[in-house]
Amino acid sequence: LAKTTQPISMDSYEGQEVNITCSHNNIATNDYITWYQQFPSQGPRFIIQGYKTKVTNEVASLFIPADRKSSTLSLPRVSLSDTAVYYCLVGANDMRFGAGTRLTVKP
Amino acid sequence: GAGVSQSPSNKVTEKGKDVELRCDPISGHTALYWYRQSLGQGLEFLIYFQGNSAPDKSGLPSDRFSAERTGGSVSTLTIQRTQQEDSAVYLCASSLGGDMYQPQHFGDGTRLSIL
Repeated sequence: LAKTTQPISMDSYEGQEVNITCSHNNIATNDYITWYQQFPSQGPRFIIQGYKTKVTNEVASLFIPADRKSSTLSLPRVSLSDTAVYYCLVGANDMRFGAGTRLTVKP
Repeated sequence: GAGVSQSPSNKVTEKGKDVELRCDPISGHTALYWYRQSLGQGLEFLIYFQGNSAPDKSGLPSDRFSAERTGGSVSTLTIQRTQQEDSAVYLCASSLGGDMYQPQHFGDGTRLSIL
């Protein structure tokens, strides 16, 4: 199973764009890349999933380069409510969430 | 529709007692997962069910931990002879399963405190 590496923490300010990059050098051909968001006292919730190039939904965009060895979650114009932990997962039925990236949005 | 439901939401018990945690997955979801999350930490995988079978039990920390799933639906995680280090939030998730990766849908967890 592919191992992922992402920053432990990031700080931002309201209204800024935030990009969180996840490295997954050993990604397999069939693996998808999935991102989750977790608020305090709640379970994680699915944000976005992609296989290659770019995926966009109402919450975020996911950029995946051609070699697929990394991916970048992009949150446009963050607000205080985007303060959360963000997890990157790779692979089918991958259960290894790791520590995630703790994003703090400041006023 | 209804999401993943976990009960109880909070459980306080004395060291040495047995506890049972329940998870009701989303209807029709064949895959079910249990995780443990200590304060300020990431999720620790415990066990995964596909239907009623558990192909991956590798995350169970000791033989005091066991889980079962019946009827391809409800799952129970049992911890015997609880220890203080078992204190954590226990999260359950379900997904459609199958060959393609399907996102996991989580409940809000059971917060277990061992006195």
